[in-house]
Amino acid sequence: NAGVTQTPKFQVLKTGQSMTLQCAQDMNHNSMYWYRQDPGMGLRLIYYSASEGTTDKGEVPNGYNVSRLNKREFSLRLESAAPSQTSVYFCASTPRTGTQYFGPGTRLLVL
Amino acid sequence: GIQVEQSPPDLILQEGANSTLRCNFSDSVNNLQWFHQNPWGQLINLFYIPSGTKQNGRLSATTVATERYSLLYISSSQTTDSGVYFCAVEPTGGFKTIFGAGTRLFVKA
Repeated sequence: NAGVTQTPKFQVLKTGQSMTLQCAQDMNHNSMYWYRQDPGMGLRLIYYSASEGTTDKGEVPNGYNVSRLNKREFSLRLESAAPSQTSVYFCASTPRTGTQYFGPGTRLLVL
Repeated sequence: GIQVEQSPPDLILQEGANSTLRCNFSDSVNNLQWFHQNPWGQLINLFYIPSGTKQNGRLSATTVATERYSLLYISSSQTTDSGVYFCAVEPTGGFKTIFGAGTRLFVKA
């Protein structure tokens, strides 16, 4: 099992560019999550998907969109990147209830 | 919304020492988890512990849901225990996991 995988690992964008962060899990988990972590801070939930076909906003959804493509994949899109979106992005998955398993993260720098 | 507070914010230990990290939360929760983020940024789940006590090697955790707190005990600390320890809660009625700000631990050799 690869667990939770994320691509890319690093990305540099210019203000206004768009990009999609990819996340996939092979543990047959129902729920998936996207978080951001700013320097010296805890993680903040951007969006989550409680099950295939559903998505919902977390604490900090502005400037982001998500797609739960199928049970395995949950993508995060930045339509027009801003410097305030410079952060480390983590994807996680969990069975219906229980421990969350995290991917390795994507480091994003917006200039 | 629910508030999650962790203490202490920073902790320096000599290798071999014991420590207790605390997580207080302001409302009822469905579950509570403890994570370790190592110096390379990787997040590792330690405990899923909505109530009661669990142990895993040198680590143990206790959650007293009625009093809205959880404790993480680290015994005989090692340099590899260094990193940031996060408490995360899922409020009752939702999936919106809320993280505390973390306790940054440094264990000296």
